[in-house]
Amino acid sequence: QKEVEQNSGPLSVPEGAIASLNCTYSDRGSQSFFWYRQYSGKSPELIMFIYSNGDKEDGRFTAQLNKASQYVSLLIRDSQPSDSATYLCAVRYNFNKFYFGSGTKLNVKP
Amino acid sequence: ETGVTQTPRHLVMGMTNKKSLKCEQHLGHNAMYWYKQSAKKPLELMFVYNFKEQTENNSVPSRFSPECPNSSHLFLHLHTLQPEDSALYLCASSQVVRGRARTDTQYFGPGTRLTVL
Repeated sequence: QKEVEQNSGPLSVPEGAIASLNCTYSDRGSQSFFWYRQYSGKSPELIMFIYSNGDKEDGRFTAQLNKASQYVSLLIRDSQPSDSATYLCAVRYNFNKFYFGSGTKLNVKP
Repeated sequence: ETGVTQTPRHLVMGMTNKKSLKCEQHLGHNAMYWYKQSAKKPLELMFVYNFKEQTENNSVPSRFSPECPNSSHLFLHLHTLQPEDSALYLCASSQVVRGRARTDTQYFGPGTRLTVL
């Protein structure tokens, strides 16, 4: 079984701060990594993906990947109350098999 | 319609009923997926179809029966379900490109909230 671990939270940050979300995975054969945002009662929405070591930036979001440590993170700069949601980490392994973490709930306080 | 659509959005059924969930993707993708999302649990991959062929059945009980008549449509047929099958059922699609698999990303439909009484 491929494990994807996330702290369930909730992670509370003040508006304007940087939110840091973390994810670890068990299988070194994992090929690419995804961050999804899921609002309560809604379906997951893709934020970004990464497959090379290092950082990848998209607007206020930065994904960081460290394959040696089997660790992927998502930084949200200038956090807004509208960023309050559950963030799902997904790992793609072996063609099109995806494994998801349980998600981290983020609360951004005005 | 755009993206991935699912019907119905909500479904309540008894344990002896037979019902079907429908998913349609308008993205021109060639792979489709069924996931189950239960409270406090990670999304569970149930079935994968590539080019209409089932390539994954993640030890799903036979009371769930998928059908993929073409690359745009996916069904999940339900019969004699149990109360523990109550969950959000999500359909997703992606474009699988040989040799560029690392960038294959999934897009989800809105889900069907299923309640089994």
